[in-house]
Amino acid sequence: GVTQSPTHLIKTRGQQVTLRCSSQSGHNTVSWYQQALGQGPQFIFQYYREEENGRGNFPPRFSGLQFPNDSSELNVNALELDDSALYLCASTLAGHWDEQFFGPGTRLTVL
Amino acid sequence: GENVEQHPSTLSVQEGDSAVIKCTYSDSASNYFPWYKQELGKRPQLIIDIRSNVGEKKDQRIAVTLNKTAKHFSLHITETQPEDSAVYFCAALPVTTDSWGKLQFGAGTQVVVTP
Repeated sequence: GVTQSPTHLIKTRGQQVTLRCSSQSGHNTVSWYQQALGQGPQFIFQYYREEENGRGNFPPRFSGLQFPNDSSELNVNALELDDSALYLCASTLAGHWDEQFFGPGTRLTVL
Repeated sequence: GENVEQHPSTLSVQEGDSAVIKCTYSDSASNYFPWYKQELGKRPQLIIDIRSNVGEKKDQRIAVTLNKTAKHFSLHITETQPEDSAVYFCAALPVTTDSWGKLQFGAGTQVVVTP
């Protein structure tokens, strides 16, 4: 299945953070979502073949990478208090958009 | 882009009663509508989905209906049980060239089933 690390993370304002996601075997597309407390997940961006393939309404300080093994990273620079959220990644096979599998998420707290 | 609205935000039901959650979407290009159940601290779990070429789908106590003309879809849970207590999210998936794979979620419904 889809795995994410770390499970929990505490950072302070202005710091940088890297979150990691390992896709389900055979999947080549990873999407990242931010879920603030009490809200639905919001699409951040998607990676396919190591390139960004669509982006939601998030500033450039949210960036990502996808590696040849289809694992992915989400990087957030200059952390703000509002970045505190559950970050979810979802993997799928390109074209099979209705078969997205979510990882367990990383809970980020910004103090 | 797609916008999904979900109602109600909270829903309290007695065990054994039915629960209904309603969502509307804005993008006529959306053709896939999943429903997720999320328990506290856990990932969203897909519980049922429906595609735009189908009007209704049922899986045991759970059913989903879709009205493409009105752009709304609903989740129905019958004979509710305490373990149905969770937050439920609807979502829509547009399939335009700039929306591939981008699930748009509703804000969620907190369902509480009291014994």
